[in-house]
Amino acid sequence: DVKVTQSSRYLVKRTGEKVFLECVQDMDHENMFWYRQDPGLGLRLIYFSYDVKMKEKGDIPEGYSVSREKKERFSLILESASTNQTSMYLCASSFGGGMPYNEQFFGPGTRLTVL
Amino acid sequence: GEDVEQSLFLSVREGDSSVINCTYTDSSSTYLYWYKQEPGAGLQLLTYIFSNMDMKQDQRLTVLLNKKDKHLSLRIADTQTGDSAIYFCAEGTTSGTYKYIFGTGTRLKVLA
Repeated sequence: DVKVTQSSRYLVKRTGEKVFLECVQDMDHENMFWYRQDPGLGLRLIYFSYDVKMKEKGDIPEGYSVSREKKERFSLILESASTNQTSMYLCASSFGGGMPYNEQFFGPGTRLTVL
Repeated sequence: GEDVEQSLFLSVREGDSSVINCTYTDSSSTYLYWYKQEPGAGLQLLTYIFSNMDMKQDQRLTVLLNKKDKHLSLRIADTQTGDSAIYFCAEGTTSGTYKYIFGTGTRLKVLA
């Protein structure tokens, strides 16, 4: 069974704090993704990575950075959290190789509240 | 720009059919997907369709694709209370590195 785990289900932080969200997958997937989910906006891609130490910006990268030092782990960093970053954050992973059919496997999400 | 649109809410009675609609814009999409998100959980792949097909059936699920109109639909036959969830359509785009563009999600509520 593919498993994607996220370090926290719920997180409460204060404005200006540095926040780390961790994601780990156990299927040796090349690709990993970070999305945020907001009501009425669906899922929006923040960053993704197709290999260790490689990263690409998604649609809404501002205010975020990422780190992929090991293949199984992809971290999302909020350098200085702001209230408009209160959201549900979802991590996903998939096989690479440029295959057109490519199922993404999702973690359970982290609900982040920034006060 | 790339955009995937869905209606936000749908309410049906148990036993009826549900139809969830989606429109997309990227004509280079090779695969289109339907994902389900149950309360408090991440997304799970329900089904997918290759862009040169116009229909795919999988038990209670029927996917219809109208490539000319860029319209995708998911029909759930004999809808059950366990089908209550948020349903996302997504298009796989081959512009640059392969990734998905997700729709806004449709919250399906099944009334007993």
